[in-house]
Amino acid sequence: AQRVTQPEKLLSVFKGAPVELKCNYSYSGSPELFWYVQYSRQRLQLLLRHISRESIKGFTADLNKGETSFHLKKPFAQEEDSAMYYCAPPRYTDKLIFGTGTRLQVFP
Amino acid sequence: EAQVTQNPRYLITVTGKKLTVTCSQNMNHEYMSWYRQDPGLGLRQIYYSMNVEVTDKGDVPEGYKVSRKEKRNFPLILESPSPNQTSLYFCASSVTGYYGYTFGSGTRLTVV
Repeated sequence: AQRVTQPEKLLSVFKGAPVELKCNYSYSGSPELFWYVQYSRQRLQLLLRHISRESIKGFTADLNKGETSFHLKKPFAQEEDSAMYYCAPPRYTDKLIFGTGTRLQVFP
Repeated sequence: EAQVTQNPRYLITVTGKKLTVTCSQNMNHEYMSWYRQDPGLGLRQIYYSMNVEVTDKGDVPEGYKVSRKEKRNFPLILESPSPNQTSLYFCASSVTGYYGYTFGSGTRLTVV
């Protein structure tokens, strides 16, 4: 079965510290991966998709096929980055299945 | 404005009383999907649809029904709601899953 794992339910850092939100997947083909963000009481928004190799709000994510990972990184966290982050694994028969999410708390 | 619109935003109902949560998108997207979000469980897919009259079960379809008679609408139907269906529900659409989904604002449902 195809899976995505976000091992941390909660990640707490101080403002200005580096952030890495982990996401591991199991998939034998070529994955198409996304990160979504959900700010408090708001809808989910697409943050990154790996195919475009974008950097949004200072976040980047690199697909590491050797480690089957798609970790989300930011060198200097900001308080406004506090949110829930979801990794979305390989598309499978057009079902988009999410990881369980990681809550990022950035303290001042 | 391109968007996914869900109604209602909040709903409190009683066990067994049929209800429908509407979802509409104005982007001519083929793919639509319903999720429920529960603390500690993340987002779980209920049903999805790849086009008009084409629907399939997600991971937690029990107790729910959907229909896709028009491309823009994808209502979620709870024929006989129970308290364990108390949750936050999101509708989402995509031109294809390849480009990611656009989400609605959510419907917070409480079944008492």
